[in-house]
Amino acid sequence: NAGVTQTPKFRVLKTGQSMTLLCAQDMNHEYMYWYRQDPGMGLRLIHYSVGEGTTAKGEVPDGYNVSRLKKQNFLLGLESAAPSQTSVYFCASSEGLAGVDTDTQYFGPGTRLTVL
Amino acid sequence: GQNIDQPTEMTATEGAIVQINCTYQTSGFNGLFWYQQHAGEAPTFLSYNVLDGLEEKGRFSSFLSRSKGYSYLLLKELQMKDSASYLCAVKGSGAGSYQLTFGKGTKLSVIP
Repeated sequence: NAGVTQTPKFRVLKTGQSMTLLCAQDMNHEYMYWYRQDPGMGLRLIHYSVGEGTTAKGEVPDGYNVSRLKKQNFLLGLESAAPSQTSVYFCASSEGLAGVDTDTQYFGPGTRLTVL
Repeated sequence: GQNIDQPTEMTATEGAIVQINCTYQTSGFNGLFWYQQHAGEAPTFLSYNVLDGLEEKGRFSSFLSRSKGYSYLLLKELQMKDSASYLCAVKGSGAGSYQLTFGKGTKLSVIP
């Protein structure tokens, strides 16, 4: 199993450009998440999904959109990139078993995005 | 909302024991996670506590006191490879039960 994979690993954008980050998991997990990690800020949740076709806002959703058309994929879109979106983006997934507290999240390797 | 505090940096000697503390103030609580993150890599799961007490896993142990809003991660017999950031994360309850709120992480440096 590859676990959680992310594409691309690195990207440089100019202000105003758009892009999509792809997250894929092969563990048949129900829940998927997108985080950003900035120095001194820790991991912050952008959006998450509790199943195919569902999405919900996290702590810092502004400027991002997401889609979960297939259970194994979770896409994060930036419609008009801004320098404030320079960050490391991590995708994660978890089983999402109802009533199970130990719903451990497993993280992908990250995408390092720079917006100039 | 959630507020999670942990020290920014710590230094310890190879072979020693180090304790990394985490305090939290939350509107709901459904468990506390510890993750390890090496520089430039993804966070990896270390431990989970939902009941008060100590959970031991080899060289790593994690403790929780829900009444005090306090947890610690104890690393024994430190090795150079333990140099990493350690992230404390709280799972909410109700509508927040899908989400983990992370602290800013503690960067541990292990020196010879």
